[in-house]
Amino acid sequence: GAGVSQSPRYKVTKRGQDVALRCDPISGHVSLYWYRQALGQGPEFLTYFNYEAQQDKSGLPNDRFSAERPEGSISTLTIQRTEQRDSAMYRCASSLGGGNQPQHFGDGTRLSIL
Amino acid sequence: AQSVTQLDSQVPVFEEAPVELRCNYSSSVSVYLFWYVQYPNQGLQLLLKYLSGSTLVKGINGFEAEFNKSQTSFHLRKPSVHISDTAEYFCAVSSNTGNQFYFGTGTSLTVIP
Repeated sequence: GAGVSQSPRYKVTKRGQDVALRCDPISGHVSLYWYRQALGQGPEFLTYFNYEAQQDKSGLPNDRFSAERPEGSISTLTIQRTEQRDSAMYRCASSLGGGNQPQHFGDGTRLSIL
Repeated sequence: AQSVTQLDSQVPVFEEAPVELRCNYSSSVSVYLFWYVQYPNQGLQLLLKYLSGSTLVKGINGFEAEFNKSQTSFHLRKPSVHISDTAEYFCAVSSNTGNQFYFGTGTSLTVIP
C-alpha cells in the first residue's frame, strides 16, 4: 500500500533476547521518526532521521536501543537484551520533512517481553 | 522546547451533542499545531493542522480547531458527534526550528448512544 508499513505487527519474546523492528516509510518521505507509546499515553519521541542521517536520538532510553536507516528508506529499531519494561507499542512515522509537515503513522508493532 | 497539555483524559458525550477537547501548548518560538485521532488497534490519523493564516482550521469528519495565541490553546470542536467519533485524540506541536513533534497524553472521547 501507499502508507507507512511496520513489521512485525506483534512481537513476543523472552527477556534478554534482541529484537529488531522494521519500518517502511511512504515513498519519497525524507524524515522518519520512531516513537514509543505506552497504554493511555501519547507517543513518546525516540529518534528521527533525515534521509540516512540520524538527526536526533535524544529520546532513546539507554544504549540498548539503536536505530538505523542505511539507505534513507527502510529503518530498523533494535533493542538489545530486552527487559520487561521495554514492552510497549512502537510506532514509526514519516513525513516530507520540516516541522510544518504532518507525520504519517504506521499501525505500530506491539512488543511484549515475557 | 515545546510541550502540550491535554487536561481532559476522558470525555463522555451523548450522540449528536457538541464536544470540545482542550489542548494547551507552551513554546518560546512560533508553532505548528496538529490534532490526530487514533481508533482502536490503528495508527494515528491526521485530523487537521494549523500552520499559519486563519486561526480557525477545518479538518476531516466535521472537526475544527481554533488557534488562540494569547491563550496558547488549540481546542478541537465538533458541533454534533457520532458514535463513530469514539476514539483517542492527540494534540501535537512542532516548530520551524526543528522536525520534532511533541504529543499530549491524549483525550479519550466516548460517544454515548
